[in-house]
Amino acid sequence: IVMTQSPATLSVSPGERASLSCRASQSVSSKLAWYQQKPGQAPRLLIYGASTRATGVAARFSGSGSGTEFTLTISSLQSEDFAVYYCQQYNHWPRTFGQGTKVEIK
Amino acid sequence: DVQLVESGEGLVQPGGSLRLSCAASGFTFSNFAMHWVRQAPGKGLEYVSAITSNGDSTYYADSVKGRFTISRDNSKNTLYLQMGSLRAEDMAVYYCVRVGVGGCFDYWGQGALVTVSS
Repeated sequence: IVMTQSPATLSVSPGERASLSCRASQSVSSKLAWYQQKPGQAPRLLIYGASTRATGVAARFSGSGSGTEFTLTISSLQSEDFAVYYCQQYNHWPRTFGQGTKVEIK
Repeated sequence: DVQLVESGEGLVQPGGSLRLSCAASGFTFSNFAMHWVRQAPGKGLEYVSAITSNGDSTYYADSVKGRFTISRDNSKNTLYLQMGSLRAEDMAVYYCVRVGVGGCFDYWGQGALVTVSS
């Protein structure tokens, strides 16, 4: 399964809304996760089951979609949200990741 | 708290071998499947290998099949990745990952850097 994320880079001002897209080459049902990675750190689980926030994740992060089209929305970007975001499907083997979307300060 | 701590990182020549370990704590290790994921310098995440909770089943990405072996010792709460016939393209940070609800990767180690160079 090929996971395609868009855009590759998203330039957003603090306080603005950001929407990140992830498309699967075939249906992954709702077995889709989003991860956040900051420089020099391991990835961190944000969303699983396409729309369920992981423990401790701020409410400004939300996920939607099913099948082949998914979206991660950050409702009001905070300074700590500037990072790279990866989607991942875990419905098929091998588990595959998108190439990432970098959210940078505009 | 859940902790995953990788060790065994280092520099190895092409064709050489290296074993990574991942010490788990803060949860019942024997109840969880575990995976390895890697990230080449400046690149994205690449899935490497998986093992079931009791170790009776494993999975490998095509890129490492036949060269890498995943294993675990539930009595020691430790996950392993034995890497052989290493290539330049295997150079990466290797993350130990716990499988959470439904199969997502809910906890990640800090990573172990494997450098393949002569």
